Amino acid sequence: AQRVTQPEKLLSVFKGAPVELKCNYSYSGSPELFWYVQYSRQRLQLLLRHISRESIKGFTADLNKGETSFHLKKPFAQEEDSAMYYCALSPLTGGFKTIFGAGTRLFVKA
Amino acid sequence: DAGVTQSPTHLIKTRGQHVTLRCSPISGHKSVSWYQQVLGQGPQFIFQYYEKEERGRGNFPDRFSARQFPNYSSELNVNALLLGDSALYLCASSAIHRAGELFFGEGSRLTVL
Repeated sequence: AQRVTQPEKLLSVFKGAPVELKCNYSYSGSPELFWYVQYSRQRLQLLLRHISRESIKGFTADLNKGETSFHLKKPFAQEEDSAMYYCALSPLTGGFKTIFGAGTRLFVKA
Repeated sequence: DAGVTQSPTHLIKTRGQHVTLRCSPISGHKSVSWYQQVLGQGPQFIFQYYEKEERGRGNFPDRFSARQFPNYSSELNVNALLLGDSALYLCASSAIHRAGELFFGEGSRLTVL
């Protein structure tokens, strides 16, 4: 069964501290993994995808197929990073269903 | 481009009524997905449509139905509303070759009394 698990509902860090939002997945085929973000009073939007291997707003995420994880990391958190973060999974080929985790609220304290 | 647009933004219904929610995708996007988001949870997949055909369906009862029109806009219909249907309903569009890259609307907030 397809499943995305984000074990932390809330993560609170101080400005300048490193941050890691955890995501584990369960999928029988080859998945594509994403991180979506929702800032206050904004719509849900794509932050990054594992295929792109790019850093967006200082965030990176590495797909670990052995541990079936796709953790989101940033070395120095900023206050503007405070938001709701969702990990999502989609079939790499031939699939149309993207499923989401329950989300982690990141709060960056001044 | 205005992005994905949804209507209405808020609505209140009573149990047993039906509701129709509408979505217009980004120009050039041929795929539309619907999600239900209950407070405290992530978006739950309901349907995906591409070229007017249902391509995926989540674990929702038959009271939920949808369709896609020739201009790629879409409607989500929910019949015999229950209190538990109260949620934010999100529509997302995508270009089919990047089906996992979703562009979301702001949602329709449904309250069932």
